[in-house]
Amino acid sequence: EAQVTQNPRYLITVTGKKLTVTCSQNMNHEYMSWYRQDPGLGLRQIYYSMNVEVTDKGDVPEGYKVSRKEKRNFPLILESPSPNQTSLYFCASSLGSVSYNEQFFGPGTRLTVL
Amino acid sequence: AQSVSQHNHHVILSEAASLELGCNYSYGGTVNLFWYVQYPGQHLQLLLKYFSGDPLVKGIKGFEAEFIKSKFSFNLRKPSVQWSDTAEYFCAVNARGPGNQFYFGTGTSLTVIP
Repeated sequence: EAQVTQNPRYLITVTGKKLTVTCSQNMNHEYMSWYRQDPGLGLRQIYYSMNVEVTDKGDVPEGYKVSRKEKRNFPLILESPSPNQTSLYFCASSLGSVSYNEQFFGPGTRLTVL
Repeated sequence: AQSVSQHNHHVILSEAASLELGCNYSYGGTVNLFWYVQYPGQHLQLLLKYFSGDPLVKGIKGFEAEFIKSKFSFNLRKPSVQWSDTAEYFCAVNARGPGNQFYFGTGTSLTVIP
C-alpha cells in the first residue's frame, strides 16, 4: 500500500532532550516536506526536500533540522526541544515538484514538550 | 511571501444546506491552488486542485471550487452537505514554477448537524 509513515505517533518529552521523528514513504517520491499544525495557525511548512541531499527552509525552520540521505526517508530532528515546539507534525511527499503534484500526508505525530 | 486567508473559522450547517468556504491569497504571479480536507483524527487528503484551464474545478465527494483571478480567490462550494462532511478544510497555495514552498490557510472547521 502506498503510504507515508511517521514514528512515533505520540511523544512526550522534556525541554532540551534531543529527539527525532522519522518519516518514510514507499512511493519513490522526490519531494518530501515537514509541517506543523497549530490551532488558529493552520499548517506551516518547516523544511522541504526536492531530492536526496537537497533541503530548503520553509516558513518556520528555527529549532529544527532535517536530513535527506535516502530518497525514502526524511527525519525531523529537534536538537533541543522547547515547549513552543509542542505541536502536531505532518510529513508529506510528492512525486515531483509540488507545484504540479498532489502531496500525500502521513498520519501525524503529536509532540508535547514539557 | 505568499499568504492565504480563510475568513470562515467555524461553520455550522444543517444537512442539505449549501456550503461556500472563502479562500483568498496574496501573490501577484501565477499560482497553483488546492483544497485539502482533514476528517477528525485523520491526515490531510486532497479535495481538488487548480493548475490552469477552466476556473471551475470539480473534486471528490461533490465539492467544487472556482478560481477568480481578479479577486485572488478560490472558494470551495458544495450544493448539499452531509453529516460526513464534518471536517476541517484547508486552502493552500503554491507559486507556479520551480518554487516548492507551500502555504496553507488557517483552516475552516465545518460541523454538519444531522
